[in-house]
Amino acid sequence: QVQLQESGPGLVKPSETLSLTCTVSGGFIRNYHWDWIRQPPGKGLEWIGDIKTSGSTNYNPSLENRATISLDMSKNQFSLKLTSVTAADTALYYCATAPEGYGGFPDWGQGTLVTVSS
Amino acid sequence: DIQMTQSPSTLSASVGDRVTITCRASQTISNWLAWFQQKPGKAPKLLIHRASGLQSGVPSRFSGSGSGTEFSLTISSLQPDDFATYYCQHYYGYPWTFGQGTKVDIK
Repeated sequence: QVQLQESGPGLVKPSETLSLTCTVSGGFIRNYHWDWIRQPPGKGLEWIGDIKTSGSTNYNPSLENRATISLDMSKNQFSLKLTSVTAADTALYYCATAPEGYGGFPDWGQGTLVTVSS
Repeated sequence: DIQMTQSPSTLSASVGDRVTITCRASQTISNWLAWFQQKPGKAPKLLIHRASGLQSGVPSRFSGSGSGTEFSLTISSLQPDDFATYYCQHYYGYPWTFGQGTKVDIK
């Protein structure tokens, strides 16, 4: 089981950049993908994107090229940056991981709430 | 994008009931489907991977079936701990998308 913990500011101003970090206890595992998922208050889940240990990334086109996911293996962390945020980006943000080809996320962080407001 | 549609949106049931939730994909996804359970204030919990694979530690009263475009999650005998919201998610090509959720509440 992989332990994950999100961290970052809980409040971001409109038009600014949301930055979150996920710390991976025990370090990265090869052939896993490392994902960000969000959930607006009272609503459903939206997959944001992922990064593999190779460094390749995939994003949800719904975010219109505003998301960037990066990996820092020396710190056992992966990060999400979301630019030009609006109130619609207010959500509980989760990091999650799974072996490539597993077909499901067995491991999740506890989530961190980010509110976009001036 | 592949759209995932769950039915029903809400399901009222009693302890001991057999419960089935359906998830339909807008195009074939083979067996690239997972089911999650989410309780208020908690992260989703993986129940089923690859459509029918029971995740380690998940009670055997949960089962998944289906392939192609039609899938189902069945709880054979609903327990008090099972009242929650359930989501399906496909993994067949990016972007991965979730169903809108099915809330199982007490009748």
